[in-house]
Amino acid sequence: GQNIDQPTEMTATEGAIVQINCTYQTSGFNGLFWYQQHAGEAPTFLSYNVLDGLEEKGRFSSFLSRSKGYSYLLLKELQMKDSASYLCAVLDSNYQLIWGAGTKLIIKP
Amino acid sequence: GAVVSQHPSRVICKSGTSVKIECRSLDFQATTMFWYRQFPKQSLMLMATSNEGSKATYEQGVEKDKFLINHASLTLSTLTVTSAHPEDSSFYICSARAGQGDIDEQFFGPGTRLTVL
Repeated sequence: GQNIDQPTEMTATEGAIVQINCTYQTSGFNGLFWYQQHAGEAPTFLSYNVLDGLEEKGRFSSFLSRSKGYSYLLLKELQMKDSASYLCAVLDSNYQLIWGAGTKLIIKP
Repeated sequence: GAVVSQHPSRVICKSGTSVKIECRSLDFQATTMFWYRQFPKQSLMLMATSNEGSKATYEQGVEKDKFLINHASLTLSTLTVTSAHPEDSSFYICSARAGQGDIDEQFFGPGTRLTVL
């Protein structure tokens, strides 16, 4: 079956760095997405990786290793507004998104 | 960037009534639209995939006679929850995709919160 694993919850301190990991087993791979979702709102797109390596976008970076079925989202200089759920999703061979359950990130002052 | 809108954003209805939710791609043509449902503290659950001009493909466990999906044009898809019951209360989110062969993103609508009394 298809499976996306990511931690259920993480806690970090304002101003610090946090890494959210995602491992996947899917039928085919056409890219991996990271989304941010604040409570009660639809997910917003953060990043898309299809080739191995690190993609940097401001305070957020996303890394992909296709051979390991692994990705991480790195958040730097954490701000209170970064408290949210972070969803990892893989585009499978049918170009449909397979979603992880999300990681709830709690930022403490 | 690409914008997807949903209407209404919130709806409250009585049990037994039907509710229609619209999903529109505002600045691009969406060959494929997806309808999701989000349960509290869980990730999005894909309900169905609709391609313009053809019947929607429903995920296992989703009643196609209860959740009617119409994708009549390249910019509009509708989800109708028929004979709604309190257990249908949820956050319904649509997304749209422009291409199929090319790698592309799904653009999400803001969601519709349905409350059935």
